[in-house]
Amino acid sequence: NAGVTQTPKFRVLKTGQSMTLLCAQDMNHEYMYWYRQDPGMGLRLIHYSVGEGTTAKGEVPDGYNVSRLKKQNFLLGLESAAPSQTSVYFCASRPDRGYQETQYFGPGTRLLVL
Amino acid sequence: QQPVQSPQAVILREGEDAVINCSSSKALYSVHWYRQKHGEAPVFLMILLKGGEQKGHEKISASFNEKKQQSSLYLTASQLSYSGTYFCGTGGSYNTDKLIFGTGTRLQVFP
Repeated sequence: NAGVTQTPKFRVLKTGQSMTLLCAQDMNHEYMYWYRQDPGMGLRLIHYSVGEGTTAKGEVPDGYNVSRLKKQNFLLGLESAAPSQTSVYFCASRPDRGYQETQYFGPGTRLLVL
Repeated sequence: QQPVQSPQAVILREGEDAVINCSSSKALYSVHWYRQKHGEAPVFLMILLKGGEQKGHEKISASFNEKKQQSSLYLTASQLSYSGTYFCGTGGSYNTDKLIFGTGTRLQVFP
């Protein structure tokens, strides 16, 4: 099992460009999450999904969109990138068995917006 | 609202002990502890549940005080491998969909 994988690992964008980050998991998990991590801010939830075809907003959703067309994939889109979106983005997943289960994190995507 | 972790940073010599605290302004059902090495993903350490027992793994253990809405992580006889940033993630109910993470505590262990 590969666990949770993220594509790409690193990307540089210019202000106003768009891109999509891909998260894939092979553990048949129901829940998937997108976080951003900035120095001194910890992990902040952007969007999440409780199952295929569903999405919900987290703490910092503005400027991002997501889609979960397949259970194993969760896409994070930036329609018009801004320098404030420079960050490390982590995807995570967990089974649907209440909060006795932990989240499994992907390796992260480093995004630099110039 | 993010849980508050204290201290923000800790510097230790090998063999010394440390305590990291996580406090929430909301009632908690679960507290999850993670460790993150520089440039890597967070790695799960343990979960504490309301009404559950204190957890432990080798020389790392944790407690959960439901009344005070806080959890503490205890690192005993620290090793170089303990260095990293520790995060607590809190859940408000059994059916909660998401965790809210604290801002982290950076731990550095020197020989």
